This record gives sequence, structure tokens and C-alpha cells, in this order.
Amino acid sequence: GNSVTQMEGPVTLSEEAFLTINCTYTATGYPSLFWYVQYPGEGLQLLLKATKADDKGSNKGFEATYRKETTSFHLEKGSVQVSDSAVYFCANDQGAQKLVFGQGTRLTINP
Amino acid sequence: GAVVSQHPSWVICKSGTSVKIECRSLDFQATTMFWYRQFPKQSLMLMATSNEGSKATYEQGVEKDKFLINHASLTLSTLTVTSAHPEDSSFYICSAQRAGSSYNEQFFGPGTRLTVL
Repeated sequence: GNSVTQMEGPVTLSEEAFLTINCTYTATGYPSLFWYVQYPGEGLQLLLKATKADDKGSNKGFEATYRKETTSFHLEKGSVQVSDSAVYFCANDQGAQKLVFGQGTRLTINP
Repeated sequence: GAVVSQHPSWVICKSGTSVKIECRSLDFQATTMFWYRQFPKQSLMLMATSNEGSKATYEQGVEKDKFLINHASLTLSTLTVTSAHPEDSSFYICSAQRAGSSYNEQFFGPGTRLTVL
């Protein structure tokens, strides 16, 4: 079946640092890939997605590229802000309305 | 738009009692709602998928008689944990799919923390 493995946290960075959160997946077929973000006290929100190989999803300065050859979907941001502090979840779908999530990575940005 | 609420946000109950958690789509109609469970420092695990007006589809290993799901309207789904025990303590999260949207557009509630004493 499909699975997702993401970088364990917590991750702590200074403001304006470069961010990478690694995510790799296993899948049968050709899944779509997602990054969700959960801010304190709120529900998960879709941050970005990519539906096929070599697609790049981007939103709010975050980017992730669907790499089929390395089965990866790493999340990157060139300059993080304190407001980016949250828990980030990588996910893929199995079709049939199912999402499979990674374990989440807690990110803290210090001013 | 696309706000999903859960009630209560947290609940503490005694072992053996039943607890009902509500999931509401506030500004859209949801033909499908999903219930997840999250353990500390672990991933969200899909428990079941519920479609309005029909029986829920449970994931393998999830006891349907213990976790009762009702999706009686296009804006409300409920999860009832029956005869709760301490091992049922967890964070329960629902999501809702807007009617007519693709399957991967799920909007998530803020979660409900259940503690069973």
C-alpha cells in the first residue's frame, strides 16, 4: 500500500533561514502528493499539492517538486518567518478518497 | 469559506461511558466526511469514510461497533465512541469534502481531544 515518511522534528530555525523538510513516499500507481500545515489551535490546511511527476506545487513562498525517480516531495522555503511556525504534514492519496499522512514535522522559527 | 468545526474541542470521560463528537461543515455542503485518529507524535490515521445518507466505510482494524458514525445531513457527521476505555484516549480529527469537488479537497476540523479516565 501507499505510505509516507517525513523528516522527524522538531525543527528549529532562525528567521530568514532556508527550510527543507524531507518527505519520501511509496505508492502503487501514480498518487498525488500534498503538504498540509497545521497552525496552533487550527485544523489542517492544504498548503500545496502536485498531481504528477515533475510538477511543482507552490504557495506562500513554499515549494515542493514531485520527484518520481527519488519518490520524494521535499518541502522548501527560501526565507522562513516566525509566522511559519506550525506542524507540517506530507501526504499522498491512494485514490478512492483516501489520504495517507506522514507523522508530521513541528517547525519553530525564532525571531 | 470552507470552515469545518468540531465539538467539543476536548472531553474527559470515565471508562465505560460513551462520547459523541460532532463535525460540522459551516459554510458548505459535504457529501463525504472523514474521521481520523492521531496519537501523540504520530500520523493521522484514517478511521472511516462517511457518505451522507449511507453507512460509513471503516478502515481495516477499526471496530465499527465501537466507533459509531452517523452522517445524517450534508453538514453534520457524528462519531460516537461507545464504552470508552483509556486506550481510546486520542486526538480525533474530521474532514469534509465539499459536494461536487474532487476527492482530495478535504477541509479539516481543529480536532477533539478525548481523555478516558
